[in-house]
Order: sequence, then structure tokens, then C-alpha cells
Amino acid sequence: GESVGLHLPTLSVQEGDNSIINCAYSNSASDYFIWYKQESGKGPQFIIDIRSNMDKRQGQRVTVLLNKTVKHLSLQIAATQPGDSAVYFCADHLSGNTGKLIFGQGTTLQVKP
Amino acid sequence: KAGVTQTPRYLIKTRGQQVTLSCSPISGHRSVSWYQQTPGQGLQFLFEYFSETQRNKGNFPGRFSGRQFSNSRSEMNVSTLELGDSALYLCASSYDGGYTFGSGTRLTVV
Repeated sequence: GESVGLHLPTLSVQEGDNSIINCAYSNSASDYFIWYKQESGKGPQFIIDIRSNMDKRQGQRVTVLLNKTVKHLSLQIAATQPGDSAVYFCADHLSGNTGKLIFGQGTTLQVKP
Repeated sequence: KAGVTQTPRYLIKTRGQQVTLSCSPISGHRSVSWYQQTPGQGLQFLFEYFSETQRNKGNFPGRFSGRQFSNSRSEMNVSTLELGDSALYLCASSYDGGYTFGSGTRLTVV
């Protein structure tokens, strides 16, 4: 079946450190991956995405790495700030499966001052 | 550019009642997807509409239905509410693969 999993439900880091949030997916036909950030009382907010023909993509303070061999992706946040505290989800889109994202369970990132 | 607007933000309903939630997508976006978010099951796909047609559907009972209007606004309806329907209902609008979510409607069934 299709599923997306995250390795840790909670990640606690010191302000200024780098954070790495991991995600595993099961369907080798997945062609598009998105990372979302969700703060309390809000909907998921797009952070960064990557297509299956790429291994790495960088944004502002964030980097996503995709390893198709082991079906794993990660989100790296540089110089983590208190405002980064939230729940982070990876989501997986199957080619042709319109509108449907498969979400992982989420990792709560706690940033200690 | 206005984001995705969901109304109402909060709802309290009684078991057995029905409810209708609304989603206005980003201007120009013709695809609207609906998701249910609960602590136990996480985010689960309900259905997706494009140009007033349902293109995709998740594994939810027939009590969950939706529709889309010619202006791309979408509604979802849940009939015969059960306690387990209490959740945050999110919609996402899409233009070319990117999915932008609204803030959701928090439904509580008592």
C-alpha cells in the first residue's frame, strides 16, 4: 500500500542549530514530494517541494534531499529559530492521482531558546 | 493575492445532523481537494474537484460528499454526523501541482 512515514514524532533542537527531519515513503511511483509546516490553529503551509528527477533542492534556510534508492527524503532547516517551532509533514503525490497527497504523521519541532 | 478561504472556522453540531463546509480557492485555481485531519489518523484525502467534476476520491463513507461550482468554489457535506467526524477539515487549491491549504474548519460533533 501507499504510506509516508516520519522517523521521529518529536525533535527538540537548540536555537541556532540545524534541524533535520526525516521521512520515508513506500511507493516507488511517487513523483512529487512536498514539505509542509503546520502551526497551531492553522492549515499546512508550503515550505519546499521536490520532483523525483531531482536529488536536492534548496530554499531560504531549507534544503530537501531525496534518495529514491531507499525511498527517503529529509528536510534540513539551517539556523533554527523559535518561529520554526511547528509540526512538519512530508507529503507524497503519485503521478496521475490528481489532487491526492499522502501525508506522513508529522514531526513536532521544538526549538529551545 | 487572496489565499484559500474556508468558512466557517468553527462548528459545533449534534450527532445525526448534517453540515456543509465551504472553500473558496485562490483566484484562477480550478482544482480543490478536501482533507480530514484528526490526531489519530492524521491528514487523509477525502476528494478532489476540478471544473465542477469529482476527479478523485478517498476511502470515506458515502456520508461525505462534495461539489464544485462554476466559480471553482467548493462545498463538502457530511450527513448523519457521528462523534468520530470531529476533525479539522482542510481544503487545498491547486493550479499546476502546487497545493495551497486554507486554515480549515474545526468541526466538533457532540
